Amino acid sequence: QKEVEQNSGPLSVPEGAIASLNCTYSDRVSQSFFWYRQYSGKSPELIMSIYSNGDKEDGRFTAQLNKASQYVSLLIRDSQPSDSATYLCAVTPRYNFNKFYFGSGTKLNVKP
Amino acid sequence: DTEVTQTPKHLVMGMTNKKSLKCEQHMGHRAMYWYKQKAKKPPELMFVYSYEKLSINESVPSRFSPECPNSSLLNLHLHALQPEDSALYLCASSQEAGESSYNEQFFGPGTRLTVL
Repeated sequence: QKEVEQNSGPLSVPEGAIASLNCTYSDRVSQSFFWYRQYSGKSPELIMSIYSNGDKEDGRFTAQLNKASQYVSLLIRDSQPSDSATYLCAVTPRYNFNKFYFGSGTKLNVKP
Repeated sequence: DTEVTQTPKHLVMGMTNKKSLKCEQHMGHRAMYWYKQKAKKPPELMFVYSYEKLSINESVPSRFSPECPNSSLLNLHLHALQPEDSALYLCASSQEAGESSYNEQFFGPGTRLTVL
């Protein structure tokens, strides 16, 4: 079983819609959760970090964490074509905060 | 300033060459990382330096040799690479060196390496 799982997609949404990206993790005591956006041929860019249960909002982005169910999600409101990218979920285990476990990424296509 | 810089942007080398990748950050971060990323795959951790000391080596072949000359610089020395080592090599840094869970990593733009 992989430490972090994501649906590879592609997830296609129309412009202006809400895109919902999901990530599950296997280690119940994972501590920190991150969402990165990666455009084709570019490096990952940190979008959100979340450390406690609940929602965290930043502009059009909302991260949701549910430790009991071991999932973290990213909602993108008013999706734009410029949001089209691969979104990587990363999780750190409790025993080593330097070590990120990345999911395989979900490719998002926002259609004009 | 949340910038991590990497040089060169692109590198083509033969299997007998020796080359180095360089990474620099001026954010006062205490940890620096090397990742390797193949197409359509997530980044794969290679090495972690905490307070300029190697803290994680993910069983990387010895043809990759990391070096941390000071707290701002990280090098990756390459020797006798194989074509399958062709990939995007990413450097990252984080403020915390593993003592805290608030350990966001910031990536540089990467070096696209091609081994002929």
